[in-house]
Amino acid sequence: DTAVSQTPKYLVTQMGNDKSIKCEQNLGHDTMYWYKQDSKKFLKIMFSYNNKELIINETVPNRFSPKSPDKAHLNLHINSLELGDSAVYFCASSQDRSTPAGYTFGSGTRLTVV
Amino acid sequence: DQQVKQNSPSLSVQEGRISILNCDYTNSMFDYFLWYKKYPAEGPTFLISISSIKDKNEDGRFTVFLNKSAKHLSLHIVPSQPGDSAVYFCAANNFNKFYFGSGTKLNVKP
Repeated sequence: DTAVSQTPKYLVTQMGNDKSIKCEQNLGHDTMYWYKQDSKKFLKIMFSYNNKELIINETVPNRFSPKSPDKAHLNLHINSLELGDSAVYFCASSQDRSTPAGYTFGSGTRLTVV
Repeated sequence: DQQVKQNSPSLSVQEGRISILNCDYTNSMFDYFLWYKKYPAEGPTFLISISSIKDKNEDGRFTVFLNKSAKHLSLHIVPSQPGDSAVYFCAANNFNKFYFGSGTKLNVKP
């Protein structure tokens, strides 16, 4: 039973389209995150929600909008996709933001914008 | 500006020998450091961590060393096994935000 699951695993779409990536965790964690792994392989935080409340919002384009309907779900919606949005996006969750064991990550969504 | 850097993109080690993965950071306010392991097509998984008040933490074959004066972190794997072949990310925590390095791909040859 997957702890943090993201769908879809792969997403190929054309420039200008709007797409969503879904994330669900069944760990009962209070905090969820979206990370982007860029072309240089760095994992960079984009957003963090704690109990459906936005707590971290890094400098990302307004085209990216997270939505948390409940604390077990954090979806990422991207409007007007651009070539530079191509990356692997990881969802993660943690019991609290400073838990020593860090995060539990999903397996990633590889987004390719053509 | 990357606050956590792993300058070796890859490392190859013979089975049974020691693997040493290095990580450098720039922010002296980091108070917690972690190592994650990532297999292809999977998300990173937590491996070991160390608080900034310590200089060493050991868990089985894995030991993390922290040198605060040099702002340097290392992960030692002894003895290395083929199943350890993966990408290893170091991460540092500041104000409840984690900063990740770009990873080092470890290949342990049988």
